[in-house]
Amino acid sequence: EVQLVESGGGLVQPGGSLKLSCAASGFTFRTHWMHWVRQAPGQGLVWVSRISGDGSTTSNADSVKGRFTISRDNAKNTLYLQMNSLRAEDTAVYYCARDWNDGLDMWGQGTMVTVSS
Amino acid sequence: DIQMTQSPSSLSASVRDRVTITCRASQSIGNYLNWYQQKPGKAPKLLIYAASSLQSGAPSRFSGSGSGTDFTLTISSLQPEDFASYYCQQSYSTPQTFGQGTKLEIK
Repeated sequence: EVQLVESGGGLVQPGGSLKLSCAASGFTFRTHWMHWVRQAPGQGLVWVSRISGDGSTTSNADSVKGRFTISRDNAKNTLYLQMNSLRAEDTAVYYCARDWNDGLDMWGQGTMVTVSS
Repeated sequence: DIQMTQSPSSLSASVRDRVTITCRASQSIGNYLNWYQQKPGKAPKLLIYAASSLQSGAPSRFSGSGSGTDFTLTISSLQPEDFASYYCQQSYSTPQTFGQGTKLEIK
């Protein structure tokens, strides 16, 4: 089955760290750019980060630069988002998504990250 | 950064109505424009990519048009399952950006 499954979300204190994972299956993972997109409760979609198929090229939103790092392990078919120095405004559902023809054609179910003391 | 402005922010319509949602980019993005549908508690689904190409599995009542800075998503005849939120997204440059969304509600 073709799918993306996120994990690693949870409750973390401000200033803390969390690492999200996104396990891919059913397609050739290494040939696709991959993205992270987040959605705060009751709000719209916000693009966070993307990485090339071989992992050599990454881009991040200004709001997470210097704090979040996207990476991937193509041998494990897994995408990651390392989140450091977390803030209350990072509270959101985090989705991983597959890039296809410059659109995001497959999404995971999302994992909730709550930053609160 | 490229700003994406959707209108309207919310819309009430009836089954079988024809509905149009617009998206405007703050600078030209060619045809690097995608449309997504999202239902409460669910992940978004890609409907239209490259401004006018229908994603596999998306119903043919959905169509997209436009290029440059002005784009539209049209639903030719609303069905009950179409009541949801819709987002445009530019993939022309990073940071990629989404519109603020349009919530389509039943009248």
